[in-house]
Amino acid sequence: KNEVEQSPQNLTAQEGEFITINCSYSVGISALHWLQQHPGGGIVSLFMLSSGKKKHGRLIATINIQEKHSSLHITASHPRDSAVYICAVSSETSGSRLTFGEGTQLTVNP
Amino acid sequence: EAGVAQSPRYKIIEKRQSVAFWCNPISGHATLYWYQQILGQGPKLLIQFQNNGVVDDSQLPKDRFSAERLKGVDSTLKIQPAKLEDSAVYLCASSLAAYTEAFFGQGTRLTVV
Repeated sequence: KNEVEQSPQNLTAQEGEFITINCSYSVGISALHWLQQHPGGGIVSLFMLSSGKKKHGRLIATINIQEKHSSLHITASHPRDSAVYICAVSSETSGSRLTFGEGTQLTVNP
Repeated sequence: EAGVAQSPRYKIIEKRQSVAFWCNPISGHATLYWYQQILGQGPKLLIQFQNNGVVDDSQLPKDRFSAERLKGVDSTLKIQPAKLEDSAVYLCASSLAAYTEAFFGQGTRLTVV
C-alpha cells in the first residue's frame, strides 16, 4: 500500500462544475502539498498546509490531521484547470523529502 | 522572481550512452532536490542537497547515477551508462530550507532508446 493514496485517478468534468480530489496518507506528516502538473512536465506548487484550510482564487485545500485526509476543491472549473493534480507529504520520519501520490488526471470540457 | 531553471528540456540517447542534466535553483535557496518521474507515476526523490552537502541519496542508483552541487548553487545530475528504464522526466526543485515550500523546474524529459 502506498503511503499516499489519491482518488480518483481520472476525473472528467464539465466547465463550471465543482471538483473535489481526495488524498489519504498513512504516516505522520509535517506538511502536505498539493501540486499541479501540466503536460510537458513542469510542476507548480498550489498549497502547502499542515492544518485547517487554505484558499487561493478558485482553489481550496483542506486537511484533517486526525483522519489523515486532505481534499483539493476547484470551484467554477475551467478547461485551463485540466492538468494532473498531485498530493505529496513530508513525513515526520523522512525529513523534508516529499512522498508523492500517483496523481489525479483532471479534464475539464467546455 | 526567476524560477528553477533546467536544461535541456528534452534529450534522446541510446542505451549505454551518458547524459547530464543541469539545474539552477532559485537564488538563495539552500535546499535542492532531484526527482525522477516515470510516466504515469508520481515523482521519486533521487537526491537532496543542503547547500553543497548531500542530505539524502538513499534512492539514488549509485552504480550509474551521480549528482553534484559543488558551490552550493547549480547542480548536475549524470547517468552513466543509461538504461531503457531510465526514460523519465527528471525534475529539479529548490526551497529556502528543508521543510519549506519547494519550487519545481520544468523538468528534463529523457528518452533512452
